[in-house]
Amino acid sequence: AQKVTQAQTEISVVEKEDVTLDCVYETRDTTYYLFWYKQPPSGELVFLIRRNSFDEQNEISGRYSWNFQKSTSSFNFTITASQVVDSAVYFCALSEPERSNDYKLSFGAGTTVTVRA
Amino acid sequence: DTEVTQTPKHLVMGMTNKKSLKCEQHMGHRAMYWYKQKAKKPPELMFVYSYEKLSINESVPSRFSPECPNSSLLNLHLHALQPEDSALYLCASSPTSAKGTQYFGPGTRLTVL
Repeated sequence: AQKVTQAQTEISVVEKEDVTLDCVYETRDTTYYLFWYKQPPSGELVFLIRRNSFDEQNEISGRYSWNFQKSTSSFNFTITASQVVDSAVYFCALSEPERSNDYKLSFGAGTTVTVRA
Repeated sequence: DTEVTQTPKHLVMGMTNKKSLKCEQHMGHRAMYWYKQKAKKPPELMFVYSYEKLSINESVPSRFSPECPNSSLLNLHLHALQPEDSALYLCASSPTSAKGTQYFGPGTRLTVL
């Protein structure tokens, strides 16, 4: 079963539009961690945010914001006033350290964001 | 400093060649990872080293052989690869376990002819 679902395969926006990426996860653990990574065309996965299951505070970092809702098992990501440099594949990921000490990240399928000038 | 370096950036090899991919981190992390990523797919875990010992092998074919010479270095030795092994190979490191954030290197784009 897919543990992390990113329903949007591709999103295309015009510069300065806002874009929201959805992430829904599935776990039975009480302690878990959620991540977002950005992968530009160059290939490197760039860490954006880590959130633990006990911290439901939303976070804002510049033009990026994250909305964590345990009630709906969602960890959505919004880019405000998008720029061409935001064009990338964005991955949501889940780690469940309670399950075993096995270091695994469960990745979603990724959402490709294209920002047009 | 959250930098993981990988060499080479690109590698083209024949099916009979032997080559190695290298990964280095100087963040004091004790867990290091190899991932394989095909186009338009998420990364797939291959190997995990924890405190320089192989902790996880995700049923990877023996033509891929990992090595962790010390806590900062991780190698992936390649031998007799197949064209379907062509992919982006990503290295990552994290402080310790799955609680920690994994930081990724820029990857090596491997083409097997």
